[in-house]
Amino acid sequence: QQQVKQSPQSLIVQKGGIPIINCAYENTAFDYFPWYQQFPGKGPALLIAIRPDVSEKKEGRFTISFNKSAKQFSLHIMDSQPGDSATYFCAASFPGAGSYQLTFGKGTKLSVIP
Amino acid sequence: NAGVMQNPRHLVRRRGQEARLRCSPMKGHSHVYWYRQLPEEGLKFMVYLQKENIIDESGMPKERFSAEFPKEGPSILRIQQVVRGDSAAYFCASSPPNGGARNTEAFFGQGTRLTVV
Repeated sequence: QQQVKQSPQSLIVQKGGIPIINCAYENTAFDYFPWYQQFPGKGPALLIAIRPDVSEKKEGRFTISFNKSAKQFSLHIMDSQPGDSATYFCAASFPGAGSYQLTFGKGTKLSVIP
Repeated sequence: NAGVMQNPRHLVRRRGQEARLRCSPMKGHSHVYWYRQLPEEGLKFMVYLQKENIIDESGMPKERFSAEFPKEGPSILRIQQVVRGDSAAYFCASSPPNGGARNTEAFFGQGTRLTVV
């Protein structure tokens, strides 16, 4: 059973566009929702994260929108650049001291064309 | 401060051989997590270790797989008698002691890509 569902699988936007990646979760016990960026041949790198007590968080060109009642959250990339081309993963984890066990979505391959 | 170091980066094993994957956490980090990534899939949690202790191995197959994080040296993920289905990228992440804080950020290594032929 997939606990975090991510869509779309792939996304192509033009430079300057605003790609939006969506995730839905099932378990209401999740309380931490990070997004990771992964370039080919590299490990995932934390991009931005949110907790359920906040509906939106911005860091630079990246924004997370969070809808607790719908159990959904999304990543928006403002003024996208070709350098943003990567695979993006949403994730979720349960509360717990000392734990960083993440449940990942399947990823979205983003291509930003000049 | 070097990041999480994994080696080897690429590993080829024949069916039935053993694979040993190593992970050196970031300096000061005492928590290590192993994840497996199949092609076109997200990462799946395997095991969470602290020094000399396995905290949670709920994501690790019951047979052929084992992990350790000794007092000295890197964490090791061992896969015995590898099969084709073990071919994947294996990522290690580490995080510092959290002192009670929740969800301390973890940093990922670049992964070991295992190919079983």
